[in-house]
Amino acid sequence: AQTIHQWPVAEIKAVGSPLSLGCTIKGKSSPNLYWYWQATGGTLQQLFYSITVGQVESVVQLNLSASRPKDDQFILSTEKLLLSHSGFYLCAWSLGEGLNERLFFGHGTKLSVL
Amino acid sequence: GDKVKQSPSALSLQEGTNSALRCNFSIAATTVQWFLQNPRGSLINLFYLVPGTKENGRLKSTFNSKESYSTLHIRDAQLEDSGTYFCAANNNNRIFFGDGTQLVVKP
Repeated sequence: AQTIHQWPVAEIKAVGSPLSLGCTIKGKSSPNLYWYWQATGGTLQQLFYSITVGQVESVVQLNLSASRPKDDQFILSTEKLLLSHSGFYLCAWSLGEGLNERLFFGHGTKLSVL
Repeated sequence: GDKVKQSPSALSLQEGTNSALRCNFSIAATTVQWFLQNPRGSLINLFYLVPGTKENGRLKSTFNSKESYSTLHIRDAQLEDSGTYFCAANNNNRIFFGDGTQLVVKP
């Protein structure tokens, strides 16, 4: 069975500090991977997607970057956090050949930027 | 979102009653997904639909691509059904989420 693990569960960071969030998928070879951001009480916004190792496409620019160093790993990062980066970050993977087919989400990371 | 409109935005149900949530699309959706976000924030995939109807326990969902809408029916609502329901439409390999329906089921 496929499992998706996100870390950390929650972070409190200062404005201007760096950030790294991680996501690991087990039990699925060459998954399509996604990062989403959700403002408190808001909808989900897709930030990045990756079809294969070393390849990442940006959907929305929020002064964040993403990398896929391994087939089963997806990293979201920034060197300088902004207040607007606060929110809930979700990693997801999908089944199927195309993008954005059936999506399965991790448990998310709650980020508070102060 | 402006491409996927969900209604109602909020809903309160008595335990044991039935209700329906709706999504209207202003894009040509090829597939639709419904998710439940629980109070801890986890998103559970309830349905993945091509045009047609699927049923799973007390939940039933329909996707009508010709009329650009999808519905999620909840039968015999239970306390654990509380949370925020999101629909999402796939158009040209891009996915668009609605703003969600906040559901509270009361005893």
